[in-house]
Amino acid sequence: QKEVEQDPGPLSVPEGAIVSLNCTYSNSAFQYFMWYRQYSRKGPELLMYTYSSGNKEDGRFTAQVDKSSKYISLFIRDSQPSDSATYLCAMNRRGTPLVFGKGTRLSVIA
Amino acid sequence: DTAVSQTPKYLVTQMGNDKSIKCEQNLGHDTMYWYKQDSKKFLKIMFSYNNKELIINETVPNRFSPKSPDKAHLNLHINSLELGDSAVYFCASSRGTDPNQPQHFGDGTRLSIL
Repeated sequence: QKEVEQDPGPLSVPEGAIVSLNCTYSNSAFQYFMWYRQYSRKGPELLMYTYSSGNKEDGRFTAQVDKSSKYISLFIRDSQPSDSATYLCAMNRRGTPLVFGKGTRLSVIA
Repeated sequence: DTAVSQTPKYLVTQMGNDKSIKCEQNLGHDTMYWYKQDSKKFLKIMFSYNNKELIINETVPNRFSPKSPDKAHLNLHINSLELGDSAVYFCASSRGTDPNQPQHFGDGTRLSIL
């Protein structure tokens, strides 16, 4: 079993839809959880960062961490065509490198 | 101004050659990284330097040798290139090694081995 599992998609939604992206992980020691967005031919950019369990909201984006289930989610409200990208979850614990999921490719259709 | 810049953007070369990729960051960060993203888009850490010292060296063939001449630069030299080295290589930097410091990525170097 890979340390971090993420459905690669592709996921196609109409503009304005609520998008739910998810990752599961196997290492219960992970404490820091991130979501990166990667546009085609570009490097990943950090969208959201969460420490331990709970929710974090930033504009149209909400990140959720459920450590008991080893499950993290990113919700995008009122999705826009400009949200079309690959979304990568990433996580680690102090002193260890980031472990990335494979990424989910999202297309938001106008 | 590009924060993390890599050169070249594209590199096409023959098997067996030696090549280098350069990375520079103008963010004043102390920590720099090299990642490899394969054809399945899986992004994996290769090396990390903090204040010019190697702190992470994942299981990478010793044909790959990083070099950090100063805190703002981290170069990657690859000897005897193989077909399996074809990938996108990303450089990143962060302010220190604390996990709550975000990593800033360059736009990648696309390496194709013929």
